[in-house]
Amino acid sequence: AQKVTQAQTEISVVEKEDVTLDCVYETRDTTYYLFWYKQPPSGELVFLIRRNSFDEQNEISGRYSWNFQKSTSSFNFTITASQVVDSAVYFCALIPYTLGRLYFGRGTQLTVWP
Amino acid sequence: DVKVTQSSRYLVKRTGEKVFLECVQDMDHENMFWYRQDPGLGLRLIYFSYDVKMKEKGDIPEGYSVSREKKERFSLILESASTNQTSMYLCASSAIGLKETQYFGPGTRLLVL
Repeated sequence: AQKVTQAQTEISVVEKEDVTLDCVYETRDTTYYLFWYKQPPSGELVFLIRRNSFDEQNEISGRYSWNFQKSTSSFNFTITASQVVDSAVYFCALIPYTLGRLYFGRGTQLTVWP
Repeated sequence: DVKVTQSSRYLVKRTGEKVFLECVQDMDHENMFWYRQDPGLGLRLIYFSYDVKMKEKGDIPEGYSVSREKKERFSLILESASTNQTSMYLCASSAIGLKETQYFGPGTRLLVL
């Protein structure tokens, strides 16, 4: 079965705090692709990152970083020095290679207070 | 810069009306998708298309149909709108190969009265 679990439904932090959003996935495929999307209050899903299962290198993009660990089937997302504009719902998603379709987690609502 | 547009951000319709939601992408993508998003249910795939005039059912196709006459345009049709189709509808597109990144439009919030 294909599944993406985001156990944190809601997180609240104060500006400048670091915050980590957890994502755990399940798939029988050995080749798969993982994604993070951001959905601000306006509603559009904004693509943030794509990783394939053969690339376990962590990635940093400005204040954003991603930690991919195949051993624990996790693909966690950290925002450093959070800002009010980071407030959004964040979705983790999975495409198993043999199925070729996107499976979403339920999302984590992040609220950053000034 | 990738661009997916949807014809309306907000739409109010009456029960029984025929509703057309339009989606256009300018990235020459082969694949296009329609999802609906509901609180507590997450994003669910309604239909997708991997080529002009081709369509495949997703998880919840009942009550919907689609049309793809041109590569850049994918329409979602509610044949007879019902109140349980009140939702946020999101269109996406991706390059050839269903493992590619999907890029989403701004969404249409549909209210059926």
